Amino acid sequence: EVQLVESGGGLVQPGGSLRLSCAASGFSFSTSWMNWVRQAPGKGLEWVANIKPDGSDKYYVDSVKGRFTISRDNAKNSVYLQMNSLGAEDTAVYYCTRAGGPGWFDSWGQGTLVTVSS
Amino acid sequence: QSALTQPRSVSGSPGQSVTISCTGTSSDVGGYNYVSWYQQHPGKAPKVMIYDVSKRPSGVPDRISGSKSGNTASLTISGLQAEDEADYYCCSQSGRYPAVFGGGTKLTVL
Repeated sequence: EVQLVESGGGLVQPGGSLRLSCAASGFSFSTSWMNWVRQAPGKGLEWVANIKPDGSDKYYVDSVKGRFTISRDNAKNSVYLQMNSLGAEDTAVYYCTRAGGPGWFDSWGQGTLVTVSS
Repeated sequence: QSALTQPRSVSGSPGQSVTISCTGTSSDVGGYNYVSWYQQHPGKAPKVMIYDVSKRPSGVPDRISGSKSGNTASLTISGLQAEDEADYYCCSQSGRYPAVFGGGTKLTVL
């Protein structure tokens, strides 16, 4: 059974940093594209970033470029999202997802809430 | 503002059919056969219902179907059931990003 378990969310002040983690199990992690998708309270879904299976390519939505960094450790079956210079607009539930193919996600974690507030 | 446009809400009675539209451009929906649909119940993670425009993952009933014409994709749910009440999101590969989502549609079963 595919499992994705996020951790690391919480309350952070504007301008602060946070590192999200996602522990994967039940599938071949080292051959899977991994993504982060977020959802602001009461709002829709937004793709944030993804990373190639070997970690050599990474892509970001414009609003987080230069502030967020996605990375992975295939030995630990984990993907991470380092978030710096956080603003109120980054407040959201962050989901770790596995790409099932181009443009779709076949597995989702339960999400971790990030709240940016003073 | 979301990249893809969906109606904010749709409704139908049990047993009826409803269709949710998802309008994009030639740079996303119209340019790729990589449209997916997600169902999200309150407080839960999204679940994929359709991928590659019209394919159903294992476990999704065949009363759920997807299609596309030009820059507009559609999700049709036939034989509405109470448990279908949820938010639905479309998603497409785009020329700019690996994935762009619609704003979501709230389906109410009357």
